Amino acid sequence: SQKIEQNSEALNIQEGKTATLTCNYTNYSPAYLQWYRQDPGRGPVFLLLIRENEKEKRKERLKVTFDTTLKQSLFHITASQPADSATYLCAPRRWNNRLAFGKGNQVVVIP
Amino acid sequence: DVKVTQSSRYLVKRTGEKVFLECVQDMDHENMFWYRQDPGLGLRLIYFSYDVKMKEKGDIPEGYSVSREKKERFSLILESASTNQTSMYLCASRNTGTGGYEQYFGPGTRLTVT
Repeated sequence: SQKIEQNSEALNIQEGKTATLTCNYTNYSPAYLQWYRQDPGRGPVFLLLIRENEKEKRKERLKVTFDTTLKQSLFHITASQPADSATYLCAPRRWNNRLAFGKGNQVVVIP
Repeated sequence: DVKVTQSSRYLVKRTGEKVFLECVQDMDHENMFWYRQDPGLGLRLIYFSYDVKMKEKGDIPEGYSVSREKKERFSLILESASTNQTSMYLCASRNTGTGGYEQYFGPGTRLTVT
């Protein structure tokens, strides 16, 4: 069956450092993969989309990589700030053009 | 900016009641979605509508139905609410024309069934 794995443990990181989150998927060959941010009690907000033929995508302090051989995407927040504290969801595209969401990985940036 | 609104932020209903959750988007998006989100389970798709009057079951449609009579509005109906339907319900929309395929979410409705 198809699975998406994100680290269930919160990532605590010092302000100014780079936070790196991992998304592993099995039994998928997604044409693209998306990352969302979710704050407590709110709906997810789209951040980045990376396609299968792209190795890396950047948006301001965010960087996403996509390794279709390893079946893995990495999400980086550089120069992290307390305002970056949130849960980040990985969402690969499924065969029927819907998204499958991971359970999310919480990031806590310590001032 | 795309705006997706949901009729209530918090809702408390009794077991057996019929419950309507409403979602409205203002960007003429073709696709709309209803998800529920539970701790430890993540976001799960209940129903998907790819256009007006069109719907498809998601991963967990049992106990739910939907209605999409107008493009901007997508309703989720709990025919007879049960305690295991206590959850956060999230609506989303997507414009297939842009090629980006990102989904825009509403603020969510936290439903408690007692």
